[in-house]
Amino acid sequence: NAGVTQTPKFQVLKTGQSMTLQCAQDMNHNSMYWYRQDPGMGLRLIYYSASEGTTDKGEVPNGYNVSRLNKREFSLRLESAAPSQTSVYFCASSVLAGEFADTQYFGPGTRLTVL
Amino acid sequence: DQQVKQNSPSLSVQEGRISILNCDYTNSMFDYFLWYKKYPAEGPTFLISISSIKDKNEDGRFTVFLNKSAKHLSLHIVPSQPGDSAVYFCAAITSVYNQGGKLIFGQGTELSVKP
Repeated sequence: NAGVTQTPKFQVLKTGQSMTLQCAQDMNHNSMYWYRQDPGMGLRLIYYSASEGTTDKGEVPNGYNVSRLNKREFSLRLESAAPSQTSVYFCASSVLAGEFADTQYFGPGTRLTVL
Repeated sequence: DQQVKQNSPSLSVQEGRISILNCDYTNSMFDYFLWYKKYPAEGPTFLISISSIKDKNEDGRFTVFLNKSAKHLSLHIVPSQPGDSAVYFCAAITSVYNQGGKLIFGQGTELSVKP
């Protein structure tokens, strides 16, 4: 049982390049999330998917797109990377969202640098 | 507008003593609060939570206190151990259905426990 896995672990991009961050969970969770962590800012929600087939914007969605490919996988795409997107990105999953809060389980993170 | 604030970026404590990490929030709609612990190069891991209908929740060495009137919560670690050295994030959520699982995180407090 691997929990939440993320690929790649590290990535360096040039401004304007695109890339997709991959996330998968094997806990049969319904909800999945993408966060970014910046110094002094904590973790900020980019997008989330409450259930398979649905996605919604979080606090900082600009410059990103997401795809909930199936129940296990939730990808984050940067279409045209900018230096402001240099950050550590975390994927998380939880049993379900909505009527009550439940624990979110996080992956190990992807450290992205945009030059 | 930072809805969840951890005003102490760092805290240093002697092994065996009590560690007290503080968190303030502004949104009175928050009804569930969580603490996450994060080691370097790893994702955050869930530590302890509290519902707004309680004022205390205890799990082993960890106790979370909630003061709703002051919009303040704190995490007590007794006794502190070197392995507790990590960054601690406070998080809050409004667990009504249309809010999804949108955790709002504080900036984090780095705890260092000295042997």
